[in-house]
Amino acid sequence: GQQVMQIPQYQHVQEGEDFTTYCNSSTTLSNIQWYKQRPGGHPVFLIQLVKSGEVKKQKRLTFQFGEAKKNSSLHITATQTTDVGTYFCAGPYNTNAGKSTFGDGTTLTVKP
Amino acid sequence: NAGVTQTPKFQVLKTGQSMTLQCAQDMNHEYMSWYRQDPGMGLRLIHYSVGAGITDQGEVPNGYNVSRSTTEDFPLRLLSAAPSQTSVYFCASRGLSGQETQYFGPGTRLLVL
Repeated sequence: GQQVMQIPQYQHVQEGEDFTTYCNSSTTLSNIQWYKQRPGGHPVFLIQLVKSGEVKKQKRLTFQFGEAKKNSSLHITATQTTDVGTYFCAGPYNTNAGKSTFGDGTTLTVKP
Repeated sequence: NAGVTQTPKFQVLKTGQSMTLQCAQDMNHEYMSWYRQDPGMGLRLIHYSVGAGITDQGEVPNGYNVSRSTTEDFPLRLLSAAPSQTSVYFCASRGLSGQETQYFGPGTRLLVL
């Protein structure tokens, strides 16, 4: 079936270190979205990527969409304690009516 | 705008009981969906709707029913609760184009004993 795989599952970093999470799909995505969920909270939309090879930045966060539109990454430069949480990618598929399938997420902890 | 609201915030049920989780949005979004999130895991789609009167199954629909009589409301019904349905339930909505932000409600934490 259609799947979105995310790695790593967990990442522990020292404050100030960089962090990257990767998302891979078994099929081509019309677009991909990234969400952040703080502990005990709900997913909050971060960004959407649509174009092949697209790169978007939000302050210390850099999002990339692969050329084949089957993979994506989120990179955080110089992590801060406010970055803790779980980061999810989600992608509707071209063949569906826009249903979102979520990866299992990468949980980031930051040691001060 | 209140965004996406969910009630109740917490619920404890006994095995076999039924209940309805409420979800409402005031953004005139066509697309609404229900997810469940088990500890340490991602979100799994239960049911979704692309408009009033239209619903469809997601990845894990068994044991749940939905209806969409209005654009605003999308209740989720547990027919006969089971311990395996202990989870956090999130409702979400967005416009139908597939290229829009998806907004999540605060969630309902359900414990089935």
